[in-house]
Amino acid sequence: EVHLVESGGAVVQPGESLRLSCAASGFTFGDYNMHWVRQRPGKGLEGVSIIRNDGGKTGYADSVKGRFTISRDNSKNSLYLQMNSLRSEDTALYFCAKDSPNGSIEHWGQGTLVSVSS
Amino acid sequence: DAVMTQSPLSLPVTLGQSASISCRSSQSLVSSDGNIYLNWLQQRPGQSPRRLIYQVSKRDSGVPDRFSGSASGADFTLKISRVEAEDVAVYYCMQGTRWPYTFGQGTKLEIK
Repeated sequence: EVHLVESGGAVVQPGESLRLSCAASGFTFGDYNMHWVRQRPGKGLEGVSIIRNDGGKTGYADSVKGRFTISRDNSKNSLYLQMNSLRSEDTALYFCAKDSPNGSIEHWGQGTLVSVSS
Repeated sequence: DAVMTQSPLSLPVTLGQSASISCRSSQSLVSSDGNIYLNWLQQRPGQSPRRLIYQVSKRDSGVPDRFSGSASGADFTLKISRVEAEDVAVYYCMQGTRWPYTFGQGTKLEIK
């Protein structure tokens, strides 16, 4: 069974940095692209970033480009999101999600909460 | 990024009646392999999203056949037949053709 467990969420001040982690199990992690998707309080889903299975290609939403960096360590079955220069609008529940080969997301974690407030 | 536009954003439905949600993309979703990677997700209150439909019309295992997806040109539709109380949720379309994947605004289905 696929398990995705996010961690690292916290309350931080504007301008600070935070690193989210996602521990994956139940599948061959290195075979799949992975995503970070966020959901602001009471709002919809927003694709934040995607990384290819080998880490060689990444993509970002315009809202986080230049501030967030996605990475992975296939030897540790782990996905990361380095978030710099955080803003109040980055306050959200951040989901780690497993891609599927048919242009889709098949599995989701439970999310980790990031709150940016002065 | 491909902008996904859903309508309506709120959908009151009587139990047992049908409901339809529309989704349109600002860019073509036809992939280089000829497939269209349009998905429908369900998010019940307090839960993570769950995929219902992928590649326009393919239903996930365990999803009732009351849920169906279709396309007409650039317009995509999720139809829910015989709405039940357990269908109360927010429904999202999501494109997986272009990176990063993008989502519609969500449609909140409620029971009248």
